[in-house]
Amino acid sequence: TQLLEQSPQFLSIQEGENLTVYCNSSSVFSSLQWYRQEPGEGPVLLVTVVTGGEVKKLKRLTFQFGDARKDSSLHITAAQPGDTGLYLCAGENFGNEKLTFGTGTRLTIIP
Amino acid sequence: EAGVAQSPRYKIIEKRQSVAFWCNPISGHATLYWYQQILGQGPKLLIQFQNNGVVDDSQLPKDRFSAERLKGVDSTLKIQPAKLEDSAVYLCASSLVAGGTGELFFGEGSRLTVL
Repeated sequence: TQLLEQSPQFLSIQEGENLTVYCNSSSVFSSLQWYRQEPGEGPVLLVTVVTGGEVKKLKRLTFQFGDARKDSSLHITAAQPGDTGLYLCAGENFGNEKLTFGTGTRLTIIP
Repeated sequence: EAGVAQSPRYKIIEKRQSVAFWCNPISGHATLYWYQQILGQGPKLLIQFQNNGVVDDSQLPKDRFSAERLKGVDSTLKIQPAKLEDSAVYLCASSLVAGGTGELFFGEGSRLTVL
């Protein structure tokens, strides 16, 4: 089983600040997804990155796939209370199309 | 469009009892997944169906867990007998296509507490 380690595990910051969370593995993935999960709900897809070095933006969120396709980062600019949630990365393994979820980063934005 | 439906939302049982969870995926989605999410952790795949066939059940504890997907639509996940460490949220997800580039649509989950 390929492991995806996310850091930090917990992050609590003030509204308006910037932050970056990371998703790292020793394995190469064919694609990587980011999900956000709010309490009592299932994860919801934010973005899928496929190409090494790819950068995608979703309003104040910027996602980057590492050049070697082993890692990814999520940067949030001017965080809002609505950004609060559990952020999960999920990598697709080459060959068997299996999706492995990371350990998660629990983000809390303080108004 | 209706989302993935799961029931029950909450279940409390004593250890060694049995429990069953039900999932109705989004209409037309051929792939169905059951994940186990322990508090504070990422989801762990238990079983993946493509239509009514099993694609991956390598992490399903088969001595106590079973799952079926009749007629390639609804699915049930059963635990018998339950252990304390089975306390978790059981998430069902479906997708149009198998594989990571396809979006997974999750239900709200079934929270199991084993006492």
